[in-house]
Amino acid sequence: EDQVTQSPEALRLQEGESSSLNCSYTVSGLRGLFWYRQDPGKGPEFLFTLYSAGEEKEKERLKATLTKKESFLHITAPKPEDSATYLCAVQAETSGTYKYIFGTGTRLKVLA
Amino acid sequence: GAVVSQHPSWVICKSGTSVKIECRSLDFQATTMFWYRQFPKQSLMLMATSNEGSKATYEQGVEKDKFLINHASLTLSTLTVTSAHPEDSSFYICSASRSSYNSPLHFGNGTRLTVT
Repeated sequence: EDQVTQSPEALRLQEGESSSLNCSYTVSGLRGLFWYRQDPGKGPEFLFTLYSAGEEKEKERLKATLTKKESFLHITAPKPEDSATYLCAVQAETSGTYKYIFGTGTRLKVLA
Repeated sequence: GAVVSQHPSWVICKSGTSVKIECRSLDFQATTMFWYRQFPKQSLMLMATSNEGSKATYEQGVEKDKFLINHASLTLSTLTVTSAHPEDSSFYICSASRSSYNSPLHFGNGTRLTVT
C-alpha cells in the first residue's frame, strides 16, 4: 500500500538551532516528491519538488534532499517566522492514473 | 509561480442551506482539480478529483450528493455543500496542477465553513 510518513509529529526549536524533518515513503511508480509549508488558516504553499534519489533543492534556510526511501527537509538556523506545518507529498502512478499522497505533517515551532 | 484562487475565504451558513465554493486557476489551465477537507491539526483528506468536462471522482466515504462538484471550464471548479449540517463545518481547500505528470499541486487559501 502506498504510504507517506512524516516525523516528528511536532518539533520545537530555539532560534538558530538547526534540525531536520523526515518524510519516509513507500510507493510504487514514484513520479515526484513535494514539500509544502502550511500556515494556520491557509492553504499549503509549495516549496520544492524532488524527482530522483540524490537530488537536492535549496531555498533560503531550507534544503530538501531525496533518497530512494525518504526525504529530509533541513532547516538551518531557523527563525520564528519559519514556524509552520511542513507537509510532504508524493505523486504516484498506478495503471496510467496518478494520485497525490500526503503525510500528516510536522508542526514546527521556532522560539525566539 | 502558479496561482490558485479560492473564494470565499470564510462563510457562515444556517443548517439546511447550501454553500458554493469556487476555485480558480489564475495563470494556467487545469484539467484536473482536487478538493480536500482538513480538520484541526490534521492533514489533508482528499474528497474528490474534479475533471473538466466530466463527472468528479469521489473518494470512499464522501457523499457525492452532498458535495456537488462542477468543473465547467479549464480554470474553474466549484464545490457545493448541499443541505449543510454542523458536522460539515470544516476547512475546505482546492488545488490544481499545471499538468498531470510530475507536477506539484498548487493550493488555494482555503474556505472556512461554519454551519450553525
